[in-house]
Amino acid sequence: GAVVSQHPSWVICKSGTSVKIECRSLDFQATTMFWYRQFPKQSLMLMATSNEGSKATYEQGVEKDKFLINHASLTLSTLTVTSAHPEDSSFYICSARAETFQETQYFGPGTRLLVL
Amino acid sequence: GESVGLHLPTLSVQEGDNSIINCAYSNSASDYFIWYKQESGKGPQFIIDIRSNMDKRQGQRVTVLLNKTVKHLSLQIAATQPGDSAVYFCAEKEGDNYGQNFVFGPGTRLSVLP
Repeated sequence: GAVVSQHPSWVICKSGTSVKIECRSLDFQATTMFWYRQFPKQSLMLMATSNEGSKATYEQGVEKDKFLINHASLTLSTLTVTSAHPEDSSFYICSARAETFQETQYFGPGTRLLVL
Repeated sequence: GESVGLHLPTLSVQEGDNSIINCAYSNSASDYFIWYKQESGKGPQFIIDIRSNMDKRQGQRVTVLLNKTVKHLSLQIAATQPGDSAVYFCAEKEGDNYGQNFVFGPGTRLSVLP
């Protein structure tokens, strides 16, 4: 149990385009999902926290208009990188939490974004 | 702000030996900790967790030790195997807010030598 998937796993796009990344909890209902960004050889940095049916809470320094998060259901959250630029190239990872798992977060496999 | 950090950024061990990965945390109010393993190009994988009312917890080949006096957390891996090679992160959380996120340390790379 506690499987989290992400799609796509790899994406290459041109500068200025928008990219949508999906995060799904496959075998549990995720009341809360988290989006992280990880640069090479660095730790995970939280971007935002989203609860189903409500607006996401963004961390300081993360532009909410650039990184659109939608947590439309208890099994799906999406992150849209709008007008992507090369500096947005990174490894984006989501995690999901359900009350049945107490406080443990389970992570997706990540999505590598390369903006040319 | 408060943060979680690691003493050793890299650790190399011989296959079959035991590994000890250390983590120092500064938020004395943190009461829940998790160790994650991240292999190259993959998302973090839950290894083991511990609450602040415990000082030791064992899993399969792994043991987590918590020393609240010096705010130190460690992960011990017994009989280290090549498949254990990865980056290990400790993460801490304060309080009972289920929506609250974890704070991650910078990570330690474990390399298992044949």
